[in-house]
This record gives sequence, C-alpha cells and structure tokens, in this order.
Amino acid sequence: KNQVEQSPQSLIILEGKNCTLQCNYTVSPFSNLRWYKQDTGRGPVSLTIMTFSENTKSNGRYTATLDADTKQSSLHITASQLSDSASYICVFSTGGFKTIFGAGTRLFVKA
Amino acid sequence: NAGVTQTPKFQVLKTGQSMTLQCAQDMNHNSMYWYRQDPGMGLRLIYYSASEGTTDKGEVPNGYNVSRLNKREFSLRLESAAPSQTSVYFCASSDQKNTEAFFGQGTRLTVV
Repeated sequence: KNQVEQSPQSLIILEGKNCTLQCNYTVSPFSNLRWYKQDTGRGPVSLTIMTFSENTKSNGRYTATLDADTKQSSLHITASQLSDSASYICVFSTGGFKTIFGAGTRLFVKA
Repeated sequence: NAGVTQTPKFQVLKTGQSMTLQCAQDMNHNSMYWYRQDPGMGLRLIYYSASEGTTDKGEVPNGYNVSRLNKREFSLRLESAAPSQTSVYFCASSDQKNTEAFFGQGTRLTVV
C-alpha cells in the first residue's frame, strides 16, 4: 500500500536556526515528489519539485533531498524566519491525476 | 490575477441540507480538483476534472457530486450533508497532470 509518513508532527525552533523535516514513503512507482508550504487558513503552495531520478532541489532557503534507497525525502530550511511558520507537506504524483499527500509537519518559528 | 477562488470561505450546515461549493480559476488551466483536508491526515482527492467536459472519481467520492461548468469553473455539491463531511475543502487547478497544482484558500464546512 502506498503510504507517506512525515516526521516530526510538529517542531518549534528559534528564528535563525536551521531545521530538517522528514518524509518516509513506500510509494512506488512515482513520477515526481513535491514539497508544499501551507500557511494557516490558506491553501498549499509548491516549494520544490523533484523527479524520481533527482536527489536534490533548492529554492532559496529551502532544499529538498530524495534518497531512493532509504525511501526518504527531507526538506531542509536554512536560517529560519518567522514567516516560515507553517505546515510543510510532501506529495507524490503516482501517475495520471492521482497524488498522495503526507499529513504534514507543523513548524513554529519563535523570535 | 486572482488564481483559484473558492466560495464560500465558511459554511455551517445542518445534517441533510444540501449546498454547492464554487471554484473558479483564471489561469486557463485544463485540470481542476477538489480535495478535503482533515486533522492529522493528508489531503484526499474527492473528484477531478482532467479537462473541460470530463470528471472522474478520486479517493473519497461518496456523498459528493461535481460539475465542470466550463474551463474556468468546477463546483462540488453535497446533496445531503452528513457530520462526516465536516472538513476543509480545497479546490485546485493545474495545466495538466503532474504539473504544479495551484490551490484556493479553502472552504471550512461544518455539518451539525
């Protein structure tokens, strides 16, 4: 069964610190993996996209990695800002129009 | 550009009532989607429309119907609301399959 598990469920960090969010998956096969940011009360917004053959993709302070051997993806946030407080969701496209969403990690950045 | 616009933003229904959630996009996208988001769970696909004139069931279609009115608009209808349909509903659109989906701001629906 295709599953996606994100950890931790929630995380509190101080402004300026780095953090790494994890996404473990059993989805196979998949065409691409996206990380989305979802602010409270808003819809998700795409941060990065990787195909199954890529292993890293950056977007400013956000860097996503993909390890097909361990079936893990990570999202690393550098020099966190208060505006990074949000939920971060990993999403797999399995072909056609079907996608599998993780439950998300809720990140709180404190001053 | 507004992107993806959903109405209403909030709604409270009594069990058995019906309502239609509206969604419109101004990006000339071919594909549109309806998802629901429940606490502790990932977004789940209710229905999608690959292109104007077509609709298909997603992962959790029971209790819902959809209409792709034209290329811009994709509505979701609850014929007889149930408390299990209390959720946040998101509409999204994309140019085609596997391309980036753009989401609306969501509709928070409570069925009592």
